[in-house]
Formats: sequence, structure tokens, C-alpha cells
Amino acid sequence: GAGVSQTPSNKVTEKGKYVELRCDPISGHTALYWYRQSLGQGPEFLIYFQGTGAADDSGLPNDRFFAVRPEGSVSTLKIQRTERGDSAVYLCASRPGGASTDTQYFGPGTRLTVL
Amino acid sequence: GDSVTQMEGPVTLSEEAFLTINCTYTATGYPSLFWYVQYPGEGLQLLLKATKADDKGSNKGFEATYRKETTSFHLEKGSVQVSDSAVYFCALLSNAGKSTFGDGTTLTVKP
Repeated sequence: GAGVSQTPSNKVTEKGKYVELRCDPISGHTALYWYRQSLGQGPEFLIYFQGTGAADDSGLPNDRFFAVRPEGSVSTLKIQRTERGDSAVYLCASRPGGASTDTQYFGPGTRLTVL
Repeated sequence: GDSVTQMEGPVTLSEEAFLTINCTYTATGYPSLFWYVQYPGEGLQLLLKATKADDKGSNKGFEATYRKETTSFHLEKGSVQVSDSAVYFCALLSNAGKSTFGDGTTLTVKP
């Protein structure tokens, strides 16, 4: 079946602009995660959705970052007034349900470059 | 908060050598523990997992045992191959569903 998909695969923007990154999880997966991965580091947790609601958004670095999942499927990560330090690969992952033993399935990521 | 500490890399081994990558964690409650692998040019994929104390996860000749007493989940393989060259990430998933990753260890296996 289809895996997790993310669009766009690459995004280049200018400092101060607004960007949206999209994640399509595996069908039926209720849990969805966003991470940010900088070069040479592990994925940094940003936010976790269970269904439509954000179960934990403690990883969002500041109020320029916001994510939604209005129908409990597709999610969009929104970054306002982008800064050069936002440049990274943004990863999305989904897992089947509420059990903490579930495996996460990762998308290929969106590489964001802020000039 | 939760944290995962991995052995720093890079690690370079000859083919058929024994591999250990250390991983220790700090977490409240009883997290599940995972090793993910990222091959060159590919996305993150699950290598193995263990969901409770003393469980052993295994896959593709790799093993790791969930040690609650030492809060560790060290990755081992008895005989590495060139195709095992990749970046390995240790991770935990808390009971509340929050996920924490280590910084990754780069493994290079030379023929």
C-alpha cells in the first residue's frame, strides 16, 4: 500500500516568507508526527496529532510554527516569517493508533531552504 | 523531559567485524524503544523494536535488548556487511505517545 507522502520534496524560500508543508499519512493511521532534522542530528520532535487534535505540541519552537489536521488525515505544517535557521528537512511520520508500541512510518521529508 | 543518548560516531569497521552502538535513555514510565536506520539517499525505516523490559528486538542479524536496570538499548550485530553502512538512530516512544530520537551514529563498513 501507499506509504507516507510529503509535498513538496524541496522548497526554497526567502527570509520572511510564509510556507506550508503537507503530509499525507498512511490511510487509517490516527497518529501523525512532525519532526525537524538538521544536518548531522536526529529528528527533533515538533508536534504529535491523535486524530484531529494536537496531543502534544511542546516541540514547536515558537509561535511562527503551526500545524493543523482538520479531518484527521492530511496535515499541514505552517511556518510564518521564515528565518534562515528554519532551514532543515521536515519529516512526517504516522502510526496506526493509540498504543505506544506502534511503529512509526516515515515520509521522505521536505527539504526547506530559507535564503 | 525524555532524552536519548547515542554513542558518537562515525564508526568504521571492516566487513565481518562485530558491531555495538550504545544507546541509553531517560524517560518516565515505561517507554517503547526503537532502532531506526537511514541508508544513503533513503528515508528513515524501522530496524527493530522492544516494548517492555527484557524484550529483545531482532532483524537482519541486528539485536538489541531493553535493559530497564541500566536504561539501555544497545544495538549489536555479530558480523557486519558493507551493505549495513548507514546512519542508525535510537528512539523512544513514551506512554503518552511522544517520540524522542538520539542524534544518530554513522556506520561505514569497508570491504
